[in-house]
Amino acid sequence: QVTLKESGPVLVKPTETLTLTCTVSGFSLSNARMGVSWIRQPPGKALEWLAHIFSNDEKSYSTSLKSRLTISKDTSKSQVVLTMTNMDPVDTATYYCARIAHQPPGTTTAYYYYYMDVWGKGTTVTVSS
Amino acid sequence: DIQMTQSPSSLSASVGDRVTITCRASQSISSYLNWYQQKPGKAPKLLIYAASSLQSGVPSRFSGSGSGTDFTLTISSLQPEDFATYYCQQSYSTPATFGPGTKVDIK
Repeated sequence: QVTLKESGPVLVKPTETLTLTCTVSGFSLSNARMGVSWIRQPPGKALEWLAHIFSNDEKSYSTSLKSRLTISKDTSKSQVVLTMTNMDPVDTATYYCARIAHQPPGTTTAYYYYYMDVWGKGTTVTVSS
Repeated sequence: DIQMTQSPSSLSASVGDRVTITCRASQSISSYLNWYQQKPGKAPKLLIYAASSLQSGVPSRFSGSGSGTDFTLTISSLQPEDFATYYCQQSYSTPATFGPGTKVDIK
């Protein structure tokens, strides 16, 4: 059974750095084309993709948050870590991690299909002094 | 970045209704489009990937179609457990982007 679990502080102060950990089970972070994404959702608002990391250590970040985010993985611990610097009250949100699964391209497409097939339950982070 | 829009932003429907939600990309994304369902206080759940492939375990009343810039999620006969918010997401290029969501509630 594939599971992901987010952990981290419930409350951070403005300007502090947030460190979130996603611990996965049921699959290996070293599996080919396997990846993990981080997504957040402010209260009452839409989902916002933040970053992803793949088994080959390929990383990508949200354009608007790129300067503040760092994603990394520890395959031996089955963990993916996201850090976000200079936290602000607008960063108050539920933060989710999700497994990225894939399918080969079809006869008319060139690239692999990627989608987030298993999600953690999320962890709520409040930014307040 | 590729921008995703959805319409309507919300809709009211009755059990048994056929419901259609539209998602549009700011540029062609071929069939690299996924749909998720989210219920209040819960994590999103994958429904459809690659525009029209039904995720394992998802009821067949859900279907997806489209290619290029215009996509549709259809629920053929709305069930009580389908009242939720639905998001599209493009996986054509990074950064991945979600639509703003469509909330489906009870009429």
